[in-house]
Amino acid sequence: DSGVTQTPKHLITATGQRVTLRCSPRSGDLSVYWYQQSLDQGLQFLIQYYNGEERAKGNILERFSAQQFPDLHSELNLSSLELGDSALYFCASSQRGLAGNEQFFGPGTRLTVL
Amino acid sequence: GENVEQHPSTLSVQEGDSAVIKCTYSDSASNYFPWYKQELGKGPQLIIDIRSNVGEKKDQRIAVTLNKTAKHFSLHITETQPEDSAVYFCAASGSMNSGYSTLTFGKGTMLLVSP
Repeated sequence: DSGVTQTPKHLITATGQRVTLRCSPRSGDLSVYWYQQSLDQGLQFLIQYYNGEERAKGNILERFSAQQFPDLHSELNLSSLELGDSALYFCASSQRGLAGNEQFFGPGTRLTVL
Repeated sequence: GENVEQHPSTLSVQEGDSAVIKCTYSDSASNYFPWYKQELGKGPQLIIDIRSNVGEKKDQRIAVTLNKTAKHFSLHITETQPEDSAVYFCAASGSMNSGYSTLTFGKGTMLLVSP
C-alpha cells in the first residue's frame, strides 16, 4: 500500500457526461500528479500540482481540468467525455514535487465511457 | 521533450533465470531514472531508482545500471520467481517547458516467469 488513495475505483458513464476523480496524497506529500494509462499510449503525464498550485502540464486535453485543495487532496475533472477517454487514471504524490523526488502511485480509477 | 524507449515489450523466462529490461532516453539533462512494477489491477509500485551521479545500484535480486554517455539504463532481476511476473516500466526525469521536471515513461515490459 503506497499511502495514496483514489476514489472511485471504477466509474462507468456515457459519452458527453462529466466525472470527477479524487485523490488523497501520502501523509506529508505536498505534490500530486495525474496520469492516464491506456493500452496504446502507456502512462501519460497529465498535470502536476504542488501545495495547491499548478506546477507542470503534460498531454492534458482542454476538456480536462484539475485542482489541489488546501487539505492537499486533488480532483481531476473530465468533461464532454468521449469513448477514447476510457482508461485508467492514476494519481501519484511526492514530497516536494521536485526533479528526482520519488513518486508513489495510488491504485487508480478505471473509467469506462459507453 | 523527453522520449523513453523500452525493450523488450514482452519477456518470458524460467524460474531462477535472470531477466534484463533495457531503456534509452533522449534528453541528456535527465538525471533521475526510476523503475516501477505494476501488477494486474494495481497501481505502479516503485521498486528501484538511480540518479545520474551513480552508475549502478543494487537491492537484493534487483539491480539497475546507467550509462549516461549512451543514454541508456537497464533493470536486472536475478533468480526470478513467479511473483516477479508483472509489467515493468522505466521512466526518466526530463525537463518540461515550465522549467520543472517530471517523469516520462517507457511503454512497459510484460515479464512472465514460469515455474
